[in-house]
Amino acid sequence: EAQVTQNPRYLITVTGKKLTVTCSQNMNHEYMSWYRQDPGLGLRQIYYSMNVEVTDKGDVPEGYKVSRKEKRNFPLILESPSPNQTSLYFCASSAPRGEQYFGPGTRLTVT
Amino acid sequence: AQKITQTQPGMFVQEKEAVTLDCTYDTSDQSYGLFWYKQPSSGEMIFLIYQGSYDEQNATEGRYSLNFQKARKSANLVISASQLGDSAMYFCAMREISAGNNRKLIWGLGTSLAVNP
Repeated sequence: EAQVTQNPRYLITVTGKKLTVTCSQNMNHEYMSWYRQDPGLGLRQIYYSMNVEVTDKGDVPEGYKVSRKEKRNFPLILESPSPNQTSLYFCASSAPRGEQYFGPGTRLTVT
Repeated sequence: AQKITQTQPGMFVQEKEAVTLDCTYDTSDQSYGLFWYKQPSSGEMIFLIYQGSYDEQNATEGRYSLNFQKARKSANLVISASQLGDSAMYFCAMREISAGNNRKLIWGLGTSLAVNP
């Protein structure tokens, strides 16, 4: 089954404790993205990757890091999480036509 | 300026009736794509339908159709024969193919649809 997986689905953590959200796709897509979704602000792109070892900032990259060492994996790293990073996070991969397929989401709470 | 505008924050529809969700877009690109997504209360984002700027016919996918009016820059989603399971947030998005980040989707703020039994 074609899918994007994310883990964990839910995470509660404390300020400053480094965390990684994993993302994996099995559709051989080159382009992958991370988004955060906040009420009233919609979906905002954090980082994207056009291919292995090619990553770039999206609209709200501050406080996040990514890596793309393999085509299928695109982890999101929060090195020192802060409460303003409490959000719903989505990983997505893009088919050639442009539609993006999303992971199930990760609800992150930083206290 | 917002590139994707969804003017209806909330909509109600009776079960089995059709409903139209509005989306207008703003781009100077000649080549672009338009997308609709559904987000149920469980949170996942589900791709529904795609329309390319050069497509001459309106896209259809089952009960979903996209009313594409290029001159008016509108891409309204029509859901026919609404079902209770259609209750969700619906997002319109656009891809500008000539942009540097040309797989990026630009999102509207969504319309919340409630289907009444």
